[in-house]
Amino acid sequence: AQSVSQHNHHVILSEAASLELGCNYSYGGTVNLFWYVQYPGQHLQLLLKYFSGDPLVKGIKGFEAEFIKSKFSFNLRKPSVQWSDTAEYFCAVNGAGGTSYGKLTFGQGTILTVHP
Amino acid sequence: SAVISQKPSRDICQRGTSLTIQCQVDSQVTMMFWYRQQPGQSLTLIATANQGSEATYESGFVIDKFPISRPNLTFSTLTVSNMSPEDSSIYLCSSNGQFFGPGTRLTVL
Repeated sequence: AQSVSQHNHHVILSEAASLELGCNYSYGGTVNLFWYVQYPGQHLQLLLKYFSGDPLVKGIKGFEAEFIKSKFSFNLRKPSVQWSDTAEYFCAVNGAGGTSYGKLTFGQGTILTVHP
Repeated sequence: SAVISQKPSRDICQRGTSLTIQCQVDSQVTMMFWYRQQPGQSLTLIATANQGSEATYESGFVIDKFPISRPNLTFSTLTVSNMSPEDSSIYLCSSNGQFFGPGTRLTVL
């Protein structure tokens, strides 16, 4: 069974600080990886995704993530956060083929609070 | 990216009743999924809605409690049956394992 672990439940930063949110997964095959964001009172939005190719993927709003296969990790980064980045962030994984395709397993979520 | 809408956006229901949630995608999609997000928790997959056949349920979820329909490639419904307060959650549909609808916030009294 696949699982996803996010290292931090709540991260508090000041504006302009750099951000890195950890995500590790467990899965016995090829995976697709995702980061989603849920702003307060809003629905889930896709930030970025990795299917194959360049392990460094860029998403919306200046976010990027790096897939390190040897570490089973897909950490989310942003060099300089803004107050508007305050949200909950979810890492998710699904199997790239077979019966697991499309079925997302989510991490517990990380709440990011950015102070002005 | 697919645009997904859900109805209703929220509802307050009495214990023992049932609610049907609709999910509409703006384009034909192969796969549709239903998830639940309980208060303060992450998302959990309920089932895969298969077009033309019965839904495939994840461990802990059964058809009698969460019947699902998928009459075509753009539409699906999830019914939450015989509700109890423990069913209070946000229910979300997803297309092709990437995009999510806005969710239906259900409160059961």
